[in-house]
Amino acid sequence: DQQVKQNSPSLSVQEGRISILNCDYTNSMFDYFLWYKKYPAEGPTFLISISSIKDKNEDGRFTVFLNKSAKHLSLHIVPSQPGDSAVYFCAASAGAGGTSYGKLTFGQGTILTVHP
Amino acid sequence: SQTIHQWPATLVQPVGSPLSLECTVEGTSNPNLYWYRQAAGRGLQLLFYSVGIGQISSEVPQNLSASRPQDRQFILSSKKLLLSDSGFYLCAWISVGGMGTFGSGTRLTVV
Repeated sequence: DQQVKQNSPSLSVQEGRISILNCDYTNSMFDYFLWYKKYPAEGPTFLISISSIKDKNEDGRFTVFLNKSAKHLSLHIVPSQPGDSAVYFCAASAGAGGTSYGKLTFGQGTILTVHP
Repeated sequence: SQTIHQWPATLVQPVGSPLSLECTVEGTSNPNLYWYRQAAGRGLQLLFYSVGIGQISSEVPQNLSASRPQDRQFILSSKKLLLSDSGFYLCAWISVGGMGTFGSGTRLTVV
């Protein structure tokens, strides 16, 4: 039972254009959502997060949108750069207290390729 | 800043052999530590977490075990590996809000 799903295994975008990565979840108890980026042979690195009390969070070129009614979140990268090419994981947690914040449920990942 | 050291980077082990993967953390004290595994075509799955020395919680029944002998050391073990234990293992320190620092991972292939 995959509670967090990234239905697009890969995405190819031209440099300078917008990259939109999507993620769906089923567990209504999730209240914190994160995006991680992973390069080959490295561990994931935290990119951006959003609490369920918000519907948008922006950090530079990266914006995460949350649609709670649709149980859907997306990551927008504008403008996309070749260095953004990596695997992007969506993750969610239920409860910000205790140890729950580290108990992340991850999606399968989307491989983003940004062409020069 | 926090750093996670994880080794080895790759490991090929025969079925039935033991396993020991080590993770050490720098730059923080009393961290909450986590072991995740990514199997082929799947997202990262939480295996164990530890909130302190000697405290281990298991998330899924499995052939593996974990130990926290020191504040900044987290070890993943198995007495006898199975083919299904193959995967990419990641150690992580994760703070409030889910923002985490992950190690570079160990690619384990059981043959």
